[in-house]
Amino acid sequence: DVVMTQTPLSLPISLGDQASFSCRSSQSLLHSNGNTYLAWYLQKSGLSPQILIYRISNRFSGVPDRFSGSGSGTDFTLKISRVEPEDLGVYYCLQHTHLPYTFGAGTKLELK
Amino acid sequence: EVKLLESGGGLVQPGGSLRLSCAASGFTFADFYMSWIRQSPGKAPEWLSFIRNKANSYTTEYNPSVKGRFTISRDDTQNVLYLQMNTLRAEDTAIYYCAKHMRTTPGGYWGQGVMVTVSS
Repeated sequence: DVVMTQTPLSLPISLGDQASFSCRSSQSLLHSNGNTYLAWYLQKSGLSPQILIYRISNRFSGVPDRFSGSGSGTDFTLKISRVEPEDLGVYYCLQHTHLPYTFGAGTKLELK
Repeated sequence: EVKLLESGGGLVQPGGSLRLSCAASGFTFADFYMSWIRQSPGKAPEWLSFIRNKANSYTTEYNPSVKGRFTISRDDTQNVLYLQMNTLRAEDTAIYYCAKHMRTTPGGYWGQGVMVTVSS
């Protein structure tokens, strides 16, 4: 299985700061069709996860443009330009290039 | 508005069976791939299975962790997704979510989840 490694485990932040999340895969996520299937999700406390980004850098409908995704191959990053209170929670990356699909362990974004 | 409502969870003994259902509304269910994803308390989500749409012959994929014990299916006439779970183990205890794919990406939308507890 592809192992997804997220760092850091916890990210203490002040509102208005930039946040950066790392996700690394144990093998390349480049599909033979030329796409890279890496998505990001946010799970707020007590709620279901919600999708933020798909295929590395595409924001899902309604996701604010302060969220941006980048990367290629095995190394991916999610950035929040200015953290707002509703951004707090656990961020997960998911690879769906290789079966079985696998999530990272998550990074918890919390207030300092 | 997309809605996904899971049901059928509960307490079951080890070795037992459960069938989860997910009632979908607010979109053309038949057009979309659908997944089941679970999350044990305090852990990351785990993708379990997905089923393609009719255009792709309703073919299925499974995580090896559940292959042979769990079966995904769908009823496009009733807009319902199912997960038949057999030979349940304590480690299957989790919240189970159904999720609508967004193109090929699982989890474009998630249900609120249903709790399954496997314990004697």
